[in-house]
Amino acid sequence: KNEVEQSPQNLTAQEGEFITINCSYSVGISALHWLQQHPGGGIVSLFMLSSGKKKHGRLIATINIQEKHSSLHITASHPRDSAVYICAVIANNDMRFGAGTRLTVKP
Amino acid sequence: NAGVMQNPRHLVRRRGQEARLRCSPMKGHSHVYWYRQLPEEGLKFMVYLQKENIIDESGMPKERFSAEFPKEGPSILRIQQVVRGDSAAYFCASSPIGGQGGQPQHFGDGTRLSIL
Repeated sequence: KNEVEQSPQNLTAQEGEFITINCSYSVGISALHWLQQHPGGGIVSLFMLSSGKKKHGRLIATINIQEKHSSLHITASHPRDSAVYICAVIANNDMRFGAGTRLTVKP
Repeated sequence: NAGVMQNPRHLVRRRGQEARLRCSPMKGHSHVYWYRQLPEEGLKFMVYLQKENIIDESGMPKERFSAEFPKEGPSILRIQQVVRGDSAAYFCASSPIGGQGGQPQHFGDGTRLSIL
């Protein structure tokens, strides 16, 4: 079993839909990142969380330390949100990654 | 206002050659991390460095791979005698003083290494 599990693996949505991507982890962590990777492109760090909730534009990230779970929400999704979203946790001084969720938003 | 700069963006090598990947961290950042993304696989941690020190190299293959972050100049990830299985995207990230847990990491655009 991977230490960082993401669901769903693939997600297709219509423009305007509310999107949720989930991340569960099994190790003790000091922080959690949500990353975005466009096809063939670089990686952008969207959020770093150690507790609670953060919001940036249409993106919201939450984390529940007791349940070892985090969610990334996208409101009013748009085709330009199409990308791979990666959950990464900081545990024992190194970063461990989920397999990513491939999101496709159709117009 | 430069972010993390990696070069080259694309690197092609023949089997047995050496590959050198460079990473210049963001201004003011003294912590550098290297990650590898194999085709159709997720990201994997390789090594964490501070200036002139390797802090954690638990993700580095035991042979042919080495990394450095000298006092002056960029961090270098060096792969000797490359093999086809080294073909991957290599990403560098940096953070300000504080280490992996306390500070967000900023990623470069990656170097795509192709081995012929």
